[in-house]
Amino acid sequence: DVKVTQSSRYLVKRTGEKVFLECVQDMDHENMFWYRQDPGLGLRLIYFSYDVKMKEKGDIPEGYSVSREKKERFSLILESASTNQTSMYLCASSLGYFRGSYGYTFGSGTRLTVV
Amino acid sequence: KNEVEQSPQNLTAQEGEFITINCSYSVGISALHWLQQHPGGGIVSLFMLSSGKKKHGRLIATINIQEKHSSLHITASHPRDSAVYICAVSSNYKLTFGKGTLLTVNP
Repeated sequence: DVKVTQSSRYLVKRTGEKVFLECVQDMDHENMFWYRQDPGLGLRLIYFSYDVKMKEKGDIPEGYSVSREKKERFSLILESASTNQTSMYLCASSLGYFRGSYGYTFGSGTRLTVV
Repeated sequence: KNEVEQSPQNLTAQEGEFITINCSYSVGISALHWLQQHPGGGIVSLFMLSSGKKKHGRLIATINIQEKHSSLHITASHPRDSAVYICAVSSNYKLTFGKGTLLTVNP
């Protein structure tokens, strides 16, 4: 069964800490995405990557960075965590070169709380 | 105005009822996706549509490209169908999401 695996289901971090959220997919997908999901706002794109070492900003990249050193792994980094980054973070992947016409596979999500 | 609008926001049904969730969008798309999210859970892709109709078990999804409208139907609803159903449209790399419909099916 194809999978997108997020390293942690729940995470609690302190304000100012550097936080790494890891995502691994086993489907040889080119595209990988990081979203955050907040009540009333739905899912919003933070960053995506269409190839190794390639990345593009999404709608809300401020306060985040990403790393994609290997095709199967896409990391989201909170350089200095703040309480307004408390959220559910979802990773997704898809086939295709800049094309959204292929199905997406989502991870189970990481619920991050910054205290 | 959101690019993807879903209705209703909340829906409560009795077990066995036929359920319809609607989605309208205002942008050009490559495909439309219906997603399911159980409380506290990750997201599961139910359907990806670019035209016509798809069926999987008790779930049916339709899309009218000219009208920019899609519907998700659940026949013979069951309490285990209780979840948030999210409509999303894809254009190039990007998914744009609706706010979701919270469905509660009571026994």
